[in-house]
Amino acid sequence: GENVEQHPSTLSVQEGDSAVIKCTYSDSASNYFPWYKQELGKRPQLIIDIRSNVGEKKDQRIAVTLNKTAKHFSLHITETQPEDSAVYFCAASARWHSGYSTLTFGKGTMLLVSP
Amino acid sequence: SQTIHQWPATLVQPVGSPLSLECTVEGTSNPNLYWYRQAAGRGLQLLFYSVGIGQISSEVPQNLSASRPQDRQFILSSKKLLLSDSGFYLCAWSVEGDTGELFFGEGSRLTVL
Repeated sequence: GENVEQHPSTLSVQEGDSAVIKCTYSDSASNYFPWYKQELGKRPQLIIDIRSNVGEKKDQRIAVTLNKTAKHFSLHITETQPEDSAVYFCAASARWHSGYSTLTFGKGTMLLVSP
Repeated sequence: SQTIHQWPATLVQPVGSPLSLECTVEGTSNPNLYWYRQAAGRGLQLLFYSVGIGQISSEVPQNLSASRPQDRQFILSSKKLLLSDSGFYLCAWSVEGDTGELFFGEGSRLTVL
């Protein structure tokens, strides 16, 4: 099955700095790569996603890059703000033995943005 | 618009007691439904997956079971809880047949003592 590795587990930055979180995946058939943000005690929410036919996608201060050859993808947050502090999860589509696709998540990165 | 609700939000249960968490989705038909568990400081582990009524898939051997008695209802159960069942349980849905965005419920925090 799919295996998703995410690094770093914790990332501390100063307000205004950039933050980069990296993930690798194992299943070359994966074709969908979302990123979720989870604030303390709340549900994860999608912030950006990318499909395998695109190498990069940007939405204001956040961007995601995908390297299918190397099987890794990254989240980039520029001009970080204290409200960006949260746990971020990457995920990759995976195919179960039943034939259906689901998402396998990384273990998460706790981002701390200091004022 | 679509909404997802799960309950209860918080529960504290003794070891060996039963468990029932319920999740319902509104505003869509035949959604894919999921149960995830999030242990403290860890990622999201997929427990169960369903593409239709009565169709449940699981790859993780565990003390839990799931059922889908109606199209938009998904239930997570246990006959006898273990300490290791403690965690944050999240129900989610996605569009039928699509590997796309997951929409999560508010979560249920279970503490087994």
